[in-house]
Amino acid sequence: EIVMTQSPATLSVSPGERATLSCRASQSVNSNLAWYQQKPGQAPRLLIYGASTRVTGIPARFSGSGSGTEFTLTISSLQSEDFAVYYCQQYNNWPPTTFGQGTRLEIE
Amino acid sequence: EVQLVESGGGLVQPGGSLRLSCAVSGLTFSNFWMSWVRQAPGKGLEWVASINQDGSAKYHVDSVKGRFTISRDNAKDSLYLQMNSLRAEDTAVYYCARGHHGLEYWGRGTLVTVSS
Repeated sequence: EIVMTQSPATLSVSPGERATLSCRASQSVNSNLAWYQQKPGQAPRLLIYGASTRVTGIPARFSGSGSGTEFTLTISSLQSEDFAVYYCQQYNNWPPTTFGQGTRLEIE
Repeated sequence: EVQLVESGGGLVQPGGSLRLSCAVSGLTFSNFWMSWVRQAPGKGLEWVASINQDGSAKYHVDSVKGRFTISRDNAKDSLYLQMNSLRAEDTAVYYCARGHHGLEYWGRGTLVTVSS
């Protein structure tokens, strides 16, 4: 089973600034990686798949990069609605698909 | 508008059973893989099971193999999760989701609490 490790666990950033979230896989997942956003009391929302492809309707300030074992989600200019928990997910070696433990993005 | 609505959660004693349902609308249900994902209170996401379009292929996470079974009824646009021999560690919100790789649509979830 591939283990996904996200860092940092919590990231404090001011509105308008850039946030960079990291995700590392225990072995290569090629580009078979997705990012999700989850707000309290809500279901996760798919943001990015294929490591860098934004889902329709996701703002352009969200971007994904990386391949192999190292991935990054960048939010270029944080808006108030972006403060949430973010999860990465690999689906290269499936089953099982596995998620990272999450990064909590909070207002500084 | 795509909607996934889970039901069937509740409080159950250890060793008991529950059957979760997910009613899907706004998409051609029979065209898509479907999955269940769970989230224990205050914890992260855990994939539970997935099923292909016609139900001929089913996959479950090791921790639920032999206890949980995913199924679907394409005539009713519905997904199911039969959960037997429930344990305290199965306590979680259970989400149904469209797909088995990137999960684009999710329901709001149904809470399963396993406790005596």
